[in-house]
Amino acid sequence: RKEVEQDPGPFNVPEGATVAFNCTYSNSASQSFFWYRQDCRKEPKLLMSVYSSGNEDGRFTAQLNRASQYISLLIRDSKLSDSATYLCVVNLNTGGFKTIFGAGTRLFVKA
Amino acid sequence: NAGVTQTPKFQVLKTGQSMTLQCAQDMNHNSMYWYRQDPGMGLRLIYYSASEGTTDKGEVPNGYNVSRLNKREFSLRLESAAPSQTSVYFCASKWTSVGPDTQYFGPGTRLTVL
Repeated sequence: RKEVEQDPGPFNVPEGATVAFNCTYSNSASQSFFWYRQDCRKEPKLLMSVYSSGNEDGRFTAQLNRASQYISLLIRDSKLSDSATYLCVVNLNTGGFKTIFGAGTRLFVKA
Repeated sequence: NAGVTQTPKFQVLKTGQSMTLQCAQDMNHNSMYWYRQDPGMGLRLIYYSASEGTTDKGEVPNGYNVSRLNKREFSLRLESAAPSQTSVYFCASKWTSVGPDTQYFGPGTRLTVL
């Protein structure tokens, strides 16, 4: 089982739609969580951190459920420019510090 | 403030050739990382340097070597390239290896080994 798993998609949605991505992690020693965005043929860039209480940044909302070991990202009012791959990222501390990247979920937003 | 820079952007090698990928950061970060990214797979850690003067193996170190030249620079060397090393290589840096902060990535090097 992968340490961080994401639905690879692709998700094809019309502009204005709401779309949600989930990510599950297997190690309960996971300490901090992030969503990164990666455009085609570009480097990953931090989209937002994920806090236990949930957090929002404009149209983006991130949630963390430690009991069920999953993280979610909700995008409201999708824009064409949201088309990208979204990577779930988990930091572990198991005697040594480690960062695990999910394989990503592809999103296509269409006019 | 350039962030993380990588050279070259593209490279084609023949099997058995060697090359060094360069990475530099200007954010005064202590930790630096080399990843490879292949289709359908997440980023896989090749080597990292928690601080200047130290380097450690990651998940997929075979066939690679690294040098932390100074605090700013971290290079990745392929001594004898193989087709299995065809990939996109990303360098990243972070303030500290043990903190919950995030990594910042360079633009990547697209390597093809024929």
